[in-house]
Amino acid sequence: EADIYQTPRYLVIGTGKKITLECSQTMGHDKMYWYQQDPGMELHLIHYSYGVNSTEKGDLSSESTVSRIRTEHFPLTLESARPSHTSQYLCASSGRDAQTAKNIQYFGAGTRLSVL
Amino acid sequence: GENVEQHPSTLSVQEGDSAVIKCTYSDSASNYFPWYKQELGKGPQLIIDIRSNVGEKKDQRIAVTLNKTAKHFSLHITETQPEDSAVYFCAASPSGGYQKVTFGTGTKLQVIP
Repeated sequence: EADIYQTPRYLVIGTGKKITLECSQTMGHDKMYWYQQDPGMELHLIHYSYGVNSTEKGDLSSESTVSRIRTEHFPLTLESARPSHTSQYLCASSGRDAQTAKNIQYFGAGTRLSVL
Repeated sequence: GENVEQHPSTLSVQEGDSAVIKCTYSDSASNYFPWYKQELGKGPQLIIDIRSNVGEKKDQRIAVTLNKTAKHFSLHITETQPEDSAVYFCAASPSGGYQKVTFGTGTKLQVIP
């Protein structure tokens, strides 16, 4: 089972609030990712990191920002939340599987954000 | 960049029947094809994967097939059970997943008891 944790699991906030979604992994993985998941299921990559002090924007433009100061921690911040930010946010990490040499992504359980 | 298409978007089968989900990819450099299962309230979890040097791989009731020439790959679930009900994602990546993984749009599978 993957050791990747997201908090909070659910968050309901008002417009204009600043929020930070937490993501931590204890597997020592260098690569970490944030996905936004539509109600229609599709996963959209919004940020990724290949290591400490490395962050890149993903395929889907997002008003959120991320930081990677420690290997195990990859928080996502919205400076001023809006109703359009309402979605499910999934964090993932990946690293080289020792047995298979494959780079497998492991996902957290997600944060469901509702902005009123 | 890579484009992964997945069909169908929803699939209902009777318990005990088989389910097949199909994906196509565009980038011939892709050589690693994982499949993820997402249960309600959880994040996606890897259930099976296949590399481009293999045409088929099986794990109990789940099998994946890959046609590199046609750039098609499929997930087959036999003897479906209610606990197979979930959203399934295919994905494609070059370099064994070390480079970017591109996900399909997902298939919601419902197994009717």
